[in-house]
Amino acid sequence: GAGVSQSPRYKVTKRGQDVALRCDPISGHVSLYWYRQALGQGPEFLTYFNYEAQQDKSGLPNDRFSAERPEGSISTLTIQRTEQRDSAMYRCASSRPFSRGTVSSGANVLTFGAGSRLTVL
Amino acid sequence: GIQVEQSPPDLILQEGANSTLRCNFSDSVNNLQWFHQNPWGQLINLFYIPSGTKQNGRLSATTVATERYSLLYISSSQTTDSGVYFCAVELGFGNEKLTFGTGTRLTIIP
Repeated sequence: GAGVSQSPRYKVTKRGQDVALRCDPISGHVSLYWYRQALGQGPEFLTYFNYEAQQDKSGLPNDRFSAERPEGSISTLTIQRTEQRDSAMYRCASSRPFSRGTVSSGANVLTFGAGSRLTVL
Repeated sequence: GIQVEQSPPDLILQEGANSTLRCNFSDSVNNLQWFHQNPWGQLINLFYIPSGTKQNGRLSATTVATERYSLLYISSSQTTDSGVYFCAVELGFGNEKLTFGTGTRLTIIP
């Protein structure tokens, strides 16, 4: 698509439930990033993919958090057994247009979606 | 990890005023971006500027990579400029995640 699309925009869930957040990156973008932003703070890195390969998951806070991008396009961030401290804005970004069979070696300019706001009661 | 500090944390200005926002970072970087988070929460990319100077309308940015800082200039402020401005940096060379600063909250009063 023309921009990064995230769904749902708002999710309210009860503590202990699992949630899945979806990100549809800009068409042709190779890299996909997940960030989490608490109220009043800057976004914090969670994980990122090049194509379907998860390159870095060092920012995932614990094993309740996981992400996948099985076909190198749409990605899902899953939070199991949600806790109140998981409440935040979850942001997805994509970058690096596919270029002649390789990841673009040019500028890694991230474009963000509108975010998914998660509230855990 | 790399540290990113932004100043001032808050700025309140009258419409029409000019402003300068600063971003200091603790290591050499391969990527630096400025973002505007508008009051609706959308994070908009303003500049990709790992070094040098760029201008886009009333906004311009300068990064002095050797001294590890970047400046964002906003001239003739408008109320639509209100929001939070973030600087974000990437080390590169295999470390491809953007690390964000804590932001500068700008409020433009009519």
